[in-house]
Amino acid sequence: DADVTQTPRNRITKTGKRIMLECSQTKGHDRMYWYRQDPGLGLRLIYYSFDVKDINKGEISDGYSVSRQAQAKFSLSLESAIPNQTALYFCATSDPRDGYNEQFFGPGTRLTVL
Amino acid sequence: AQSVTQLDSHVSVSEGTPVLLRCNYSSSYSPSLFWYVQHPNKGLQLLLKYTSAATLVKGINGFEAEFKKSETSFHLTKPSAHMSDAAEYFCVVSGGYGNKLVFGAGTILRVKS
Repeated sequence: DADVTQTPRNRITKTGKRIMLECSQTKGHDRMYWYRQDPGLGLRLIYYSFDVKDINKGEISDGYSVSRQAQAKFSLSLESAIPNQTALYFCATSDPRDGYNEQFFGPGTRLTVL
Repeated sequence: AQSVTQLDSHVSVSEGTPVLLRCNYSSSYSPSLFWYVQHPNKGLQLLLKYTSAATLVKGINGFEAEFKKSETSFHLTKPSAHMSDAAEYFCVVSGGYGNKLVFGAGTILRVKS
């Protein structure tokens, strides 16, 4: 089984709808991250969480919110989806004991907002 | 502040010829550097990482990268390209508070038969 899983893998929705993307991990890592990938822009950090009670905004948090339900679960919500949120979304984890912050990525969720 | 510049958005090589993917970085800290690979419709896989132990870093699938502080570069190389190397490659820098990762824009590698 994969260490970092994301659901759904693909989602098509309409403008204005509320969407939740879920991430679960079995690696036992405290740190979790949400990124979006757009062609030609690489991955950009949306939110990150160092533990259940520590959540921080990344560089592009506007229009998004997150919830860290447990050490193993980190959800990303789009309260009112808009077309420019169409992208590939990745969840990642890391171990704070790793001073170099190697991150482990899920398979991604492809979101299309019509 | 940290940043990464991948100097080529697309690289095309013939199978069996060398691969060079170029990456320059900027960091206010002593950085950690990574190369990740993303095959079509797949997630990201770590190829290799520089953590100051050695300037020449060997990774998976025959890839290696050399950290050159004076040139602020971390170019990725492979002596002989294989068709399965066709993918998008990301150079990534980590450092500072929280050790957040900053990604380059990516280089798409095409391998011709």
